Amino acid sequence: DTEVTQTPKHLVMGMTNKKSLKCEQHMGHRAMYWYKQKAKKPPELMFVYSYEKLSINESVPSRFSPECPNSSLLNLHLHALQPEDSALYLCASSLTELAGGRGTDTQYFGPGTRLTVL
Amino acid sequence: GNSVTQMEGPVTLSEEAFLTINCTYTATGYPSLFWYVQYPGEGLQLLLKATKADDKGSNKGFEATYRKETTSFHLEKGSVQVSDSAVYFCALRKGNFNKFYFGSGTKLNVKP
Repeated sequence: DTEVTQTPKHLVMGMTNKKSLKCEQHMGHRAMYWYKQKAKKPPELMFVYSYEKLSINESVPSRFSPECPNSSLLNLHLHALQPEDSALYLCASSLTELAGGRGTDTQYFGPGTRLTVL
Repeated sequence: GNSVTQMEGPVTLSEEAFLTINCTYTATGYPSLFWYVQYPGEGLQLLLKATKADDKGSNKGFEATYRKETTSFHLEKGSVQVSDSAVYFCALRKGNFNKFYFGSGTKLNVKP
């Protein structure tokens, strides 16, 4: 099973709402990632979790709050977003955060959550 | 800094045509280079990769050769199919961490 699942597929929220995005993998990967992808742009890294601890925060505004409750699950909590935060949010996972051996640098991506902020 | 530049799309080809998507990179040292593909409505999938100069990555008829002298990693396929229609991203990874730098993506449309 090389699948990363994300829910919901689509999300529309107002600027005062609180919502959460969910990502799940059962490949035994210990590194998980959140990316933001605007239309016709490449994915931009937001956060990296390694062994359930936050490893990298790419200076993301605090209205985005990641959480890794266990090694299979990654959440992204959203609060007081702006319309410019509308984008496709991609989750990915890899065996480890460090690229050291065969296959360890392959990231598996989920299909994404398309977020619209009104 | 580290960056990847890809040719702008969309690229429109007829089935069985030859495909080239150009990719050049800027990085010090010896990054690993990747091509990812994103089919409509899906996440990114690793297509192929190369980890050192002169390495050739290949998968599903696609090939790319890591050229250190021209800092390039162009994607090629001899005969495209309609099912190859997707967005293709070139990316590099530098150092020990799995942090990727993606190009802007090139959309490929293949017509029957």
